[in-house]
Amino acid sequence: GAGVSQTPSNKVTEKGKYVELRCDPISGHTALYWYRQSLGQGPEFLIYFQGTGAADDSGLPNDRFFAVRPEGSVSTLKIQRTERGDSAVYLCASSLDRSDEQFFGPGTRLTVL
Amino acid sequence: RKEVEQDPGPFNVPEGATVAFNCTYSNSASQSFFWYRQDCRKEPKLLMSVYSSGNEDGRFTAQLNRASQYISLLIRDSKLSDSATYLCVVPLSGGYNKLIFGAGTRLAVHP
Repeated sequence: GAGVSQTPSNKVTEKGKYVELRCDPISGHTALYWYRQSLGQGPEFLIYFQGTGAADDSGLPNDRFFAVRPEGSVSTLKIQRTERGDSAVYLCASSLDRSDEQFFGPGTRLTVL
Repeated sequence: RKEVEQDPGPFNVPEGATVAFNCTYSNSASQSFFWYRQDCRKEPKLLMSVYSSGNEDGRFTAQLNRASQYISLLIRDSKLSDSATYLCVVPLSGGYNKLIFGAGTRLAVHP
């Protein structure tokens, strides 16, 4: 079956621009997670959705970052006024329920020039 | 102290070698642990779960030492295809699996 998909696979933007990153979870998975992975580091938790609601957004670095999941399926991570330090791979994961195995998407590689 | 610490490596080993990675964690309340494998420019994938003292799956053995708060991963008879980064993961319990990743240990298996 289809796994987690993320679009775009690569995004190059200029400092100060706005970007949106999309995640399509595995069908039927109620839990969705966003992580950020910088070069040479492990993924770092950003936000967790259970259904439509953000149950834990404690990992979002600041208020330039926002994520939504309006219908409990697709999620969009939004970054305003991008900075060079935002450059990283943004990974999305989904799980059947909140304590089940998380399956990761291929990630979006964001480069802020 | 970081929540999850790993030796970054790289570990360069010949085919057929046995190699072990260690990982230490700071949260003594953690009950379950994972090893994920990540190939270059790919997503992490679950390799093994560790819920009690250890777990074995073919050539891979994961062990847990709660008293010392470390987890190990042993790979026997290394294959070229084992070359990857191995991520130690400790979930923070709290109703869901908030995964805390180590920085990973890089393994390169050569002919």
